[in-house]
Amino acid sequence: QVQLQQWGAGLLKSSETLSLTCTVSGGFFSGYYWTWIRQSPGKGLEWIGEINSSGNTNYNPSLKSRVIMSIDTSKNQFSLNLTSVTAADTAFYYCGRPRLAVRSPLGYWGQGTQVTVSS
Amino acid sequence: EIVLTQSPDTLSLSPGESATLSCRASQSVTNNFLAWYQQKPGQAPRLVIYGASSRAAGIPDRFSGSGSGTDFTLTLSRLEPEDFAVYYCQQYDRSPRTFGQGTKVEIK
Repeated sequence: QVQLQQWGAGLLKSSETLSLTCTVSGGFFSGYYWTWIRQSPGKGLEWIGEINSSGNTNYNPSLKSRVIMSIDTSKNQFSLNLTSVTAADTAFYYCGRPRLAVRSPLGYWGQGTQVTVSS
Repeated sequence: EIVLTQSPDTLSLSPGESATLSCRASQSVTNNFLAWYQQKPGQAPRLVIYGASSRAAGIPDRFSGSGSGTDFTLTLSRLEPEDFAVYYCQQYDRSPRTFGQGTKVEIK
């Protein structure tokens, strides 16, 4: 059974860097594009980007200048850094894995992390 | 980017009734790379339909998806109490992947 467990700081101040990590257990780690999604009342579900086990990334152009994703295959972990956060980055953040290694929607999700940015 | 517009925003129905949810794309979604998710309060979204019409594992057959190109539909037949939730469509054809704004199916 594939499980994703995520963690990271939930309360930030403006201009700080958001850092979240997701650990994967069960299933293969290689071969997938590991994904970050966020959800806020104002903007709904927003795809942040993805990274594969080779370190290749695809970012949402709306966030590209502030997003850095990384991966550690030895620990079955991948991470999200979002720099210079503002109140607009307040959201629930999810990590996820596609259903299949080929292009497919997210079949597995982390439990989510509420991130709040205060001024 | 592909903009997905869902309608209606809210459906108020009784258990046993059927629900028809619409998702319209601003550009054609090729290969039917369109999915539907169900989300309940306090939970992560759950994949319901992929490839526009294929049910994900564990999804009952009262859920069905259809459509192609720019118009897609999720049909929920014989609503059960556990089906009342928010449903989102998502295209995974092009980057950035995008979601619709959601349709809430609520108990009347």
